[in-house]
Amino acid sequence: DVKVTQSSRYLVKRTGEKVFLECVQDMDHENMFWYRQDPGLGLRLIYFSYDVKMKEKGDIPEGYSVSREKKERFSLILESASTNQTSMYLCASTAPGLAGGLSYEQYFGPGTRLTVT
Amino acid sequence: SQQGEEDPQALSIQEGENATMNCSYKTSINNLQWYRQNSGRGLVHLILIRSNEREKHSGRLRVTLDTSKKSSSLLITASRAADTASYFCATVPYNQGGKLIFGQGTELSVKP
Repeated sequence: DVKVTQSSRYLVKRTGEKVFLECVQDMDHENMFWYRQDPGLGLRLIYFSYDVKMKEKGDIPEGYSVSREKKERFSLILESASTNQTSMYLCASTAPGLAGGLSYEQYFGPGTRLTVT
Repeated sequence: SQQGEEDPQALSIQEGENATMNCSYKTSINNLQWYRQNSGRGLVHLILIRSNEREKHSGRLRVTLDTSKKSSSLLITASRAADTASYFCATVPYNQGGKLIFGQGTELSVKP
């Protein structure tokens, strides 16, 4: 069975702390994604990666960085957490499409609800 | 930038009734997907429809796509209380690296 796991379901951090959110998939997928979800705004793409050590900015990368050292693991880093980064963070993965694109269905982890105080 | 816009934002029906949710988008797409999210959980993929398809079925789900109107609809027939969730459409626009762009979702409540 397909599985995407995230390191924490709930996390509380203080302003200015460095925060690591980990995501692991066991499907040997090349492509992995980080989104944040906020009421009224839907899901917004922060960063994605289509291969080890590769990364691409999404729509809202400011204040975030990522790391992909191994195929199965994609980490989201908040260098200095701020209160406006309080959100639900969702990780997803997918296999590339037939044309090498990113068109296939995405598999999501359960989410991490991060609160920054 | 937001691509999919969903309508209605919230829908409340009785068990056994049909639920219809609509999604509109702005640019040409490769495909359109629908996802379900139970409260506080991750999203689960329901169905994918390609730009050259007009209708697709999966169990109690029926999806239509009208590329001329840039719109899609998701119909859930004979709804059950377990269908209570948020439903999101997501588009894969052309020339944007294959990213999924999500709408804001429709919150469906099915009362027993």
